[in-house]
Amino acid sequence: ELKVEQNPLFLSMQEEKNYTIYCNYSTTSDRLYWYRQDPGKSLESLFVLLSNGAVKQEGRLMASLDTKARLSTLHITAAVHDLSATYFCAVDIGGSGGSNYKLTFGKGTLLTVNP
Amino acid sequence: NAGVTQTPKFRILKIGQSMTLQCTQDMNHNYMYWYRQDPGMGLKLIYYSVGAGITDKGEVPNGYNVSRSTTEDFPLRLELAAPSQTSVYFCASSMAGTQYFGPGTRLLVL
Repeated sequence: ELKVEQNPLFLSMQEEKNYTIYCNYSTTSDRLYWYRQDPGKSLESLFVLLSNGAVKQEGRLMASLDTKARLSTLHITAAVHDLSATYFCAVDIGGSGGSNYKLTFGKGTLLTVNP
Repeated sequence: NAGVTQTPKFRILKIGQSMTLQCTQDMNHNYMYWYRQDPGMGLKLIYYSVGAGITDKGEVPNGYNVSRSTTEDFPLRLELAAPSQTSVYFCASSMAGTQYFGPGTRLLVL
């Protein structure tokens, strides 16, 4: 059974600081997704990482994937209040072998950016 | 292009009642999914479909049923509502990879 663990689960940051959210998973896979969820809202796709060493950046967020370590990171640079949300990583258990693109989600990281 | 739509947005059910959560997508996606989200627990897959007429169980299917008669629609049926089914339900669709989520249905079973 695939397990996806995120840490920390709660993160309180000051504006302009940097921090990293970690996502570990237990089974070989090379397809990992990051989503953002605002309170009371739906999930919004942030990044898709499809190979070992993949790195994607959008604004103050950068995601990377190390399939050998079964680890993805979401790095936040110079945080601003607008980044306050819950961030989920999700792993496609089928990987490159073909699947029904089913995702297993981590529990999420609640990020609060304080002035 | 509305993406993924869900109805209703919010519903209160009494124990033992039945209801259908509706999900429609207009992106011609083959894959559709139903998740439930409980506080602090992430999302759990209930059922999924790889195309019209084909459905399969996810991680937490008990108490739910689905059907997929068209590419666009993927309704989720609760037959005998129980308090444990109080949750937020999300429908999602994908072509091959990234899943796009609907706005969710908040269900309260009392």
